[in-house]
Amino acid sequence: NAGVTQTPKFRVLKTGQSMTLLCAQDMNHEYMYWYRQDPGMGLRLIHYSVGEGTTAKGEVPDGYNVSRLKKQNFLLGLESAAPSQTSVYFCASRKTRLAREETQYFGPGTRLLVL
Amino acid sequence: GQQLNQSPQSMFIQEGEDVSMNCTSSSIFNTWLWYKQDPGEGPVLLIALYKAGELTSNGRLTAQFGITRKDSFLNISASIPSDVGIYFCAGLVAGTASKLTFGTGTRLQVTL
Repeated sequence: NAGVTQTPKFRVLKTGQSMTLLCAQDMNHEYMYWYRQDPGMGLRLIHYSVGEGTTAKGEVPDGYNVSRLKKQNFLLGLESAAPSQTSVYFCASRKTRLAREETQYFGPGTRLLVL
Repeated sequence: GQQLNQSPQSMFIQEGEDVSMNCTSSSIFNTWLWYKQDPGEGPVLLIALYKAGELTSNGRLTAQFGITRKDSFLNISASIPSDVGIYFCAGLVAGTASKLTFGTGTRLQVTL
């Protein structure tokens, strides 16, 4: 049971390049989330998914797209990277739909530098 | 977008001391969560609070859900070196697909 994994761990991009970040969870979780973390700030929600085939916008969705074709995977895409997208990206998944089970399990993060 | 105000932003304490930090919001939350993030890692849940006034402990950690539902507090007793890290509060509104609003973090450093 690996929990939540993210690939790659680190990437350097040039402005205008595209890339996809992969998040995978082996816990059969329904909900998955993508956050970005910038210095001095907490995590901000980019996009999220409440189930296979569904996605929704979070707080800071501009410049990103996502897909949830399989329940265990949640992909975050940058079509044309900008320096403002330099950040640490975290994926998370949620265990159950139960009202009191709010635990979100986080991956180790992907560090992205856009030059 | 809203972010929760956490204070202090950072603190240096000596091993064995008690630590207090808090989180405030302009809006009401149904659930308050406290996370810890170690360097190079993702956040890990420490404590979850579901009811106004609730006081919950997890070992040396104690957290409280404020009566107004707009604030929460975390206390760490008898700090040890492994308490070093960034502590985040997070608030959640019911019926929002578990979308969390995070605080700005409190960086804790412990000296021997």
